[in-house]
Amino acid sequence: GAVVSQHPSRVICKSGTSVKIECRSLDFQATTMFWYRQFPKQSLMLMATSNEGSKATYEQGVEKDKFLINHASLTLSTLTVTSAHPEDSSFYICSASQLGDSNQPQHFGDGTRLSIL
Amino acid sequence: RKEVEQDPGPFNVPEGATVAFNCTYSNSASQSFFWYRQDCRKEPKLLMSVYSSGNEDGRFTAQLNRASQYISLLIRDSKLSDSATYLCVGGYTGKLIFGQGTTLQVKP
Repeated sequence: GAVVSQHPSRVICKSGTSVKIECRSLDFQATTMFWYRQFPKQSLMLMATSNEGSKATYEQGVEKDKFLINHASLTLSTLTVTSAHPEDSSFYICSASQLGDSNQPQHFGDGTRLSIL
Repeated sequence: RKEVEQDPGPFNVPEGATVAFNCTYSNSASQSFFWYRQDCRKEPKLLMSVYSSGNEDGRFTAQLNRASQYISLLIRDSKLSDSATYLCVGGYTGKLIFGQGTTLQVKP
């Protein structure tokens, strides 16, 4: 069964709306979770590393004020796309490592397909 | 230059064929390597980890050559259900870097 749950799976909203995506580790604690974005026919690109109890680490070119990450508990990380615009439309996926070692295989959530009109 | 590079394909093969995918990585600090499979509009799923000694899981064999910074995946006796995109992944300092993916289409 799934070890990482992501919600919602699909969002369609108007430009300017803020959208929150949740990522939960099921039956295990994840001090670190990862947020990726995938545009059509492209690879997954790491956006940021979410660290429980501290600030997220963002990859180069990813605006931290645009993509707000909160990792308030050991089983939940949230990504908020603030004031979303059509160019933010993408497939957003989170992952976590069950073994607590971020170099080990990661389990992915089902992903959230975001469409901004 | 991308950190992890793959031939995007597509590779079109008949059922029963043997097909090999290659991948190169540029960061010599990469410590862990994986092959993930991604079906259309779905999340990636781990296919197998890749070890220096090479490893096999059923019809799938993965190889790692650290000297050449090269990873491979061999699929024997291809099935229709093997049709998917195969992602080569390198990891270091807690990050996973994904290749673009290689698309495989297995035809009847």
